[in-house]
Amino acid sequence: DTEVTQTPKHLVMGMTNKKSLKCEQHMGHRAMYWYKQKAKKPPELMFVYSYEKLSINESVPSRFSPECPNSSLLNLHLHALQPEDSALYLCASSQGRGGSSYNEQFFGPGTRLTVL
Amino acid sequence: AQSVTQLGSHVSVSEGALVLLRCNYSSSVPPYLFWYVQYPNQGLQLLLKYTSAATLVKGINGFEAEFKKSETSFHLTKPSAHMSDAAEYFCAVREDTGGFKTIFGAGTRLFVKA
Repeated sequence: DTEVTQTPKHLVMGMTNKKSLKCEQHMGHRAMYWYKQKAKKPPELMFVYSYEKLSINESVPSRFSPECPNSSLLNLHLHALQPEDSALYLCASSQGRGGSSYNEQFFGPGTRLTVL
Repeated sequence: AQSVTQLGSHVSVSEGALVLLRCNYSSSVPPYLFWYVQYPNQGLQLLLKYTSAATLVKGINGFEAEFKKSETSFHLTKPSAHMSDAAEYFCAVREDTGGFKTIFGAGTRLFVKA
């Protein structure tokens, strides 16, 4: 199984809602990532987890809260988002430690988020 | 800091023609380079990666890339374009400190005309 799955595919939420994005992989990867991608732009790194510990937080606003319950799952909790947070949110994973630079990332299909 | 520059935000070719997507990197150490493809409303998929084992790297779907240290380039080519190749292509470099960060180029949209 070389797949990263993400749910939901689409999400529409108001600025006062609380929602969560979910990501799952069963490749035994120990590094997992959240990216934000705006239209016609490259992905921007938000968070990295290595061995279920948060390794990188790219100064992301606190209205985004990541969680890694176990080695296969990665969540992104959303609260009080702004319309400018509307984007495609991509999850990725890579083999072993994130520090193994030859190891490519496997991406999920993304969650298209719209904040009204 | 490492970076990649993709020359040309849009490239248009006819079906059956050569595809050439340009990528130049900036690195003071041997870089870890990747090409990814993104189809509309999908995630990114790895096309190929440079591992220093060979300067000519073959990837999926008939794509290949040549690492040229003297030109600091890692251009992506395909001899004959197919309609299904129409997508966004990202060149990327893995940061050499810690290895967690992948720096993506701005992307090149490939259009294939019938």
